[in-house]
Amino acid sequence: AQSVSQHNHHVILSEAASLELGCNYSYGGTVNLFWYVQYPGQHLQLLLKYFSGDPLVKGIKGFEAEFIKSKFSFNLRKPSVQWSDTAEYFCAVNIAPSGSARQLTFGSGTQLTVLP
Amino acid sequence: GAVVSQHPSRVICKSGTSVKIECRSLDFQATTMFWYRQFPKQSLMLMATSNEGSKATYEQGVEKDKFLINHASLTLSTLTVTSAHPEDSSFYICSAGGSGAKNIQYFGAGTRLSVL
Repeated sequence: AQSVSQHNHHVILSEAASLELGCNYSYGGTVNLFWYVQYPGQHLQLLLKYFSGDPLVKGIKGFEAEFIKSKFSFNLRKPSVQWSDTAEYFCAVNIAPSGSARQLTFGSGTQLTVLP
Repeated sequence: GAVVSQHPSRVICKSGTSVKIECRSLDFQATTMFWYRQFPKQSLMLMATSNEGSKATYEQGVEKDKFLINHASLTLSTLTVTSAHPEDSSFYICSAGGSGAKNIQYFGAGTRLSVL
C-alpha cells in the first residue's frame, strides 16, 4: 500500500519569505499527486495536481510543485508567502491510471503560519 | 470548481443516539464518494468508499454496523453513526469524484460531531 510523508508538521514564516514543504511517497508504480489546502474553518481545496508530463506543475495562488520521480518527492513551493497563506497543507497520492475517482492517501499535513 | 455540500456542519448528540450526515454533489454526478475521519492535528483517514447503487467498501478497522453508508443516488451519500459514543467524536469529511473527474476529489466542509 502507498504511504505519504510530510516531514514538516508546523512551519512558521514571515511574509515575503520563500516556502518549500516536503512530501515523499512510497509506491513503486505510477501515481497521481496532489496538494490540498485547508484554510481555517474551510473545506479542503485543491491547490495543484500532477498526472503526467511536465514535472513542474503550477497551481492556484502562486503555488507550484515539482515531481522528482527518482526521489519519490512532490515538494510544494511558493517564492513569497502572504499572511493569507496561513493554512494546513496536505499532500496526497493515488494510484494511476486516471479515469476514475480513486481513493486518496493523505500525508499528515503541515500547518503553515505566516506572520504579518 | 465543483461543489460538495455537507450537512450538518456541527452536531452535538447524547451517547447512544444515531446521527446522519449528508454529502451532496451540487453540480456534478458523483459515482464515487469517500468518507474520511480527521482527528485533531492529524491527517484524513479514509473510512469507506461509497459507490452509487452498491455497498460501500470499508477500510480495515472501520465497523460497518457502526458507520452505515448509503449512496442511493449520483448526488447523495449519507453516513449514519449509529449508537454514537464519546469516542466517535471527531471531524467527518466527505468527498466526491465524478466519472469524468480524472481522479480529482472535491471535498465537503466537514461535520464536527460531539457525543456527550
